[in-house]
Amino acid sequence: EDKVVQSPLSLVVHEGDTVTLNCSYEVTNFRSLLWYKQEKKAPTFLFMLTSSGIEKKSGRLSSILDKKELFSILNITATQTGDSAIYLCAVNQGAQKLVFGQGTRLTINP
Amino acid sequence: NAGVMQNPRHLVRRRGQEARLRCSPMKGHSHVYWYRQLPEEGLKFMVYLQKENIIDESGMPKERFSAEFPKEGPSILRIQQVVRGDSAAYFCASSGQVNTEAFFGQGTRLTVV
Repeated sequence: EDKVVQSPLSLVVHEGDTVTLNCSYEVTNFRSLLWYKQEKKAPTFLFMLTSSGIEKKSGRLSSILDKKELFSILNITATQTGDSAIYLCAVNQGAQKLVFGQGTRLTINP
Repeated sequence: NAGVMQNPRHLVRRRGQEARLRCSPMKGHSHVYWYRQLPEEGLKFMVYLQKENIIDESGMPKERFSAEFPKEGPSILRIQQVVRGDSAAYFCASSGQVNTEAFFGQGTRLTVV
């Protein structure tokens, strides 16, 4: 069965800390891995990763994929309270059939 | 350029009624996907449509659920004879090409009472 597993499920840190969110996967078909941020509404696209070892970066967020070990990490440096959200990892099996992990609920305390 | 628009945002139905959820993709996008998020669970793929065609409906329940994306107008996810277990958030996403990033709408939260 195709599965995407995220860890930790929940994380509470203080503002300014650096966090690393993990995503491992076992799927029959792999086209790309995507990260989304979900607050109270729509999942917001963060990154799409297709190649191993190439870091994608956007401000304080960065992500990298390891296709040999079948995992990805999402790093957030100098966290702010606005980073509090559920972070979703998904694998695109082709034709945008996304298999999602359960999400990591990140809480940033002031 | 408006994003993916879903309506209604909230929908309350009594058991046995029909629910119709609408999704207008981003301008220029012709690929539409529906996902369901049950309480405390991740998003689950339901169906992938292009204009007038269902491409992949492997995640759709076999009964009571149907989806369409007509030549004109929004995509519709239809749930007949709703039951309490249908209560969930239903998200629509769209993309311009089949394997580029998908952008999500704000979802329709369906509550069956």
